[in-house]
Amino acid sequence: GAVVSQHPSRVICKSGTSVKIECRSLDFQATTMFWYRQFPKQSLMLMATSNEGSKATYEQGVEKDKFLINHASLTLSTLTVTSAHPEDSSFYICSAVRTSGSQETQYFGPGTRLLVL
Amino acid sequence: RKEVEQDPGPFNVPEGATVAFNCTYSNSASQSFFWYRQDCRKEPKLLMSVYSSGNEDGRFTAQLNRASQYISLLIRDSKLSDSATYLCVVHKGGTSYGKLTFGQGTILTVHP
Repeated sequence: GAVVSQHPSRVICKSGTSVKIECRSLDFQATTMFWYRQFPKQSLMLMATSNEGSKATYEQGVEKDKFLINHASLTLSTLTVTSAHPEDSSFYICSAVRTSGSQETQYFGPGTRLLVL
Repeated sequence: RKEVEQDPGPFNVPEGATVAFNCTYSNSASQSFFWYRQDCRKEPKLLMSVYSSGNEDGRFTAQLNRASQYISLLIRDSKLSDSATYLCVVHKGGTSYGKLTFGQGTILTVHP
């Protein structure tokens, strides 16, 4: 199956710093990637849609200036959490859409655990 | 009301048992439906798509009732390795290209 990687897998940072998370589709090109967040004992919540070559589309309630998304190539999207605070501590998961003919399948990365102290 | 609702469980069943999970969705325009499995501290992985005619994959059977906006997953002959959180996932389709809405998940623990 298709492979999506994320880096780093885990990060601990001080409050006020910025953290960049990378999402890569390793064996296919993805014009669309998604960023999700999952708090403990809760489900995945879509944060934004990352579109290669254009601006990301953010879900209601997600601050675009705080969560910067860059989809510079067909295999890489980055999410930067700016001025991170403890309440941003969460499990961040990306997914990439693989299109084969008329079929679209979403593949998830392994996730990044962010802990803001 | 949540867009996708599931009974969070937990379900604790012995090996070999049959267990069923239910899910309801609120948007009648939803087009695609899936069950994902998420192991502890891991990413979700697609278990199976759900079709109106019902579909089966080994010990797993999924059903969709569009009129009732209801989805189910049946697991027969449970194995210890089936222990996980099962996520009901809905895709609205149309202009919401690729966007998936996840239920909160149902926790399953299979014990010896």
